[in-house]
Amino acid sequence: LAKTTQPISMDSYEGQEVNITCSHNNIATNDYITWYQQFPSQGPRFIIQGYKTKVTNEVASLFIPADRKSSTLSLPRVSLSDTAVYYCLVGDGKGSSYKLIFGSGTRLLVRP
Amino acid sequence: NAGVTQTPKFRVLKTGQSMTLLCAQDMNHEYMYWYRQDPGMGLRLIHYSVGEGTTAKGEVPDGYNVSRLKKQNFLLGLESAAPSQTSVYFCASSRAGTSKQETQYFGPGTRLLVL
Repeated sequence: LAKTTQPISMDSYEGQEVNITCSHNNIATNDYITWYQQFPSQGPRFIIQGYKTKVTNEVASLFIPADRKSSTLSLPRVSLSDTAVYYCLVGDGKGSSYKLIFGSGTRLLVRP
Repeated sequence: NAGVTQTPKFRVLKTGQSMTLLCAQDMNHEYMYWYRQDPGMGLRLIHYSVGEGTTAKGEVPDGYNVSRLKKQNFLLGLESAAPSQTSVYFCASSRAGTSKQETQYFGPGTRLLVL
């Protein structure tokens, strides 16, 4: 099983860049790394996904080193509305047995 | 396009009662999932389905049963509810996955309280 380790919580201020690092030492060769965001009383929402190097979209950037044993989600210039729980996931298996394992996530609090 | 919907939104049960949670998706997704989330915790996979008529166990399947008679619906059943099943239940769906993780789309959740 590919498992992930993330900080339990992080604090930041509006306008700052936030970097959340996830450790996944046992990631399999074919696994992608995916991040989800969850607001209170809502289901998780996809943020970004990558396999190696760097991926950027309109919401965030994802940095993955060559050994792929960790990844960093970068949120530029956070606002109060970015306060949420962020989950880092890697796949467990592939094909018909494919499923995701959610850890406890990182609770990000953005202060004014 | 409603995405993923869940019925009911909230339910209170007494220990030993049974109930069925309904999940529906209109995105023609092959895969569907049921998760539970306890306070302050991440999501744990209960059961999942990779196609109509097929189901498989996840991390915490005990005490639950599922059925996928139609592609768009995934039912989660509790035959004899226990207080330990008090949780928020999320349904999700995705396209068929291969080596790449397909994005999972989540419903709004069902809050279940078992007394």
